Amino acid sequence: DQQVKQNSPSLSVQEGRISILNCDYTNSMFDYFLWYKKYPAEGPTFLISISSIKDKNEDGRFTVFLNKSAKHLSLHIVPSQPGDSAVYFCAASAQGGSEKLVFGKGMKLTVNP
Amino acid sequence: ETGVTQSPTHLIKTRGQQVTLRCSSQSGHNTVSWYQQALGQGPQFIFQYYREEENGRGNFPPRFSGLQFPNYSSELNVNALELDDSALYLCASSLDRGLSEAFFGQGTRLTVV
Repeated sequence: DQQVKQNSPSLSVQEGRISILNCDYTNSMFDYFLWYKKYPAEGPTFLISISSIKDKNEDGRFTVFLNKSAKHLSLHIVPSQPGDSAVYFCAASAQGGSEKLVFGKGMKLTVNP
Repeated sequence: ETGVTQSPTHLIKTRGQQVTLRCSSQSGHNTVSWYQQALGQGPQFIFQYYREEENGRGNFPPRFSGLQFPNYSSELNVNALELDDSALYLCASSLDRGLSEAFFGQGTRLTVV
């Protein structure tokens, strides 16, 4: 039972354009959502998070949007850069923070120069 | 550089054997979690330790066990290895439970033959 779903395994965008990564969840108890970026041979690196009491959180080029009624969140990267090429994981927690995270399968983002 | 180091980086074991994986957390981080990432999947929560006590467990059998030590190091032990245990094992440490960010190590790649 996949509680966090990233339905698109990959995305390719041009440098400078917007990258939109989507994530759906099924568990209504999730109250904190995070995005992690992972390069090969490295562990996941925290990117940005959002609490369920908010619908948007922005940090530089990265913005996460949360639609609780649709159980959907998205990560927007503007402008996309080649260094953003990595696997991105959506994760959720029912503990209010970074505890006992439930991850999606990941999406590979490729930003072409 | 997250300050979380795992050893070894790669390991090959035979089915039925036992394995111990190690993690060194950032100083002061009293919470450590272990995740299993199978090929093509997102990390899956195994268990969490808080101040040397198990503080939550995912859907993993008892042959997966752990220890956390006062010096901010921890271990994941797996008995009676099965072929399906082949995966990347990640540890993540955080300053405390709740809203503090979790920092991941680079992982240990375990192959069971």
